[in-house]
Amino acid sequence: QTVVTQEPSFSVSPGGTVTLTCGLNSGSVSTNYYPSWFQQTPGQAPRTLIYSTSTRSSGVPDRFSGSILGNKAALTIAGAQADDESDYYCVLYMGGGISVFGGGTKLTVL
Amino acid sequence: QLQLQESGPGLVKPSETLSLTCTASGGSVSTTSYYWDWIRQPPGKGLEWIGSVYYSGSTFYNPSLKSRVTISVDTSKNQFSLKLSSVTAADAAVYYCARRHSSHRYFDLWGRGTLVTVSS
Repeated sequence: QTVVTQEPSFSVSPGGTVTLTCGLNSGSVSTNYYPSWFQQTPGQAPRTLIYSTSTRSSGVPDRFSGSILGNKAALTIAGAQADDESDYYCVLYMGGGISVFGGGTKLTVL
Repeated sequence: QLQLQESGPGLVKPSETLSLTCTASGGSVSTTSYYWDWIRQPPGKGLEWIGSVYYSGSTFYNPSLKSRVTISVDTSKNQFSLKLSSVTAADAAVYYCARRHSSHRYFDLWGRGTLVTVSS
């Protein structure tokens, strides 16, 4: 069974930089998995931040960037702000029409 | 600008079938550019992809739910639907409908979500 792994939680200081990762329980994440990233605040639908590894969705500030780091997809947030405190999810396209979400990372800004 | 809106019963009895509809307004589901997906989120937990339908009616399902899920599209009504049979308390969640870009494989538009509770 495919499991997409994310750090359960992370903290960053205001103005700091944080990198969240998205891996596989078996194998490496590559661009072929079309990794995308979402931000979700409580009670709201997810908001798309990054798709196809590194393309920012419309209206997303360039403080948010996506990449492949080693064998994982990564979301880097630079100059963290208080309103970046949210849950962040990655999703990988596994082929055959199937997508798998990671478990999400709860980011705290303090 | 296309918008998605989920509708359906907010309460379903155990062992019964959950049925939800997503209505697309301001655009058409009859397009080769997108798939139409269902995603759920149990209270306090993460997101789970349920499945997807193309305008042609082709479907793709999460293997762990495949035996209980049916997703269909009605292009005449600009809607797509989810049926999940034999529900249990574990199926209680906020259910989102979403649009998935067929080339870039990502969810670019989400409905607001609808909470479904499973209880007798």
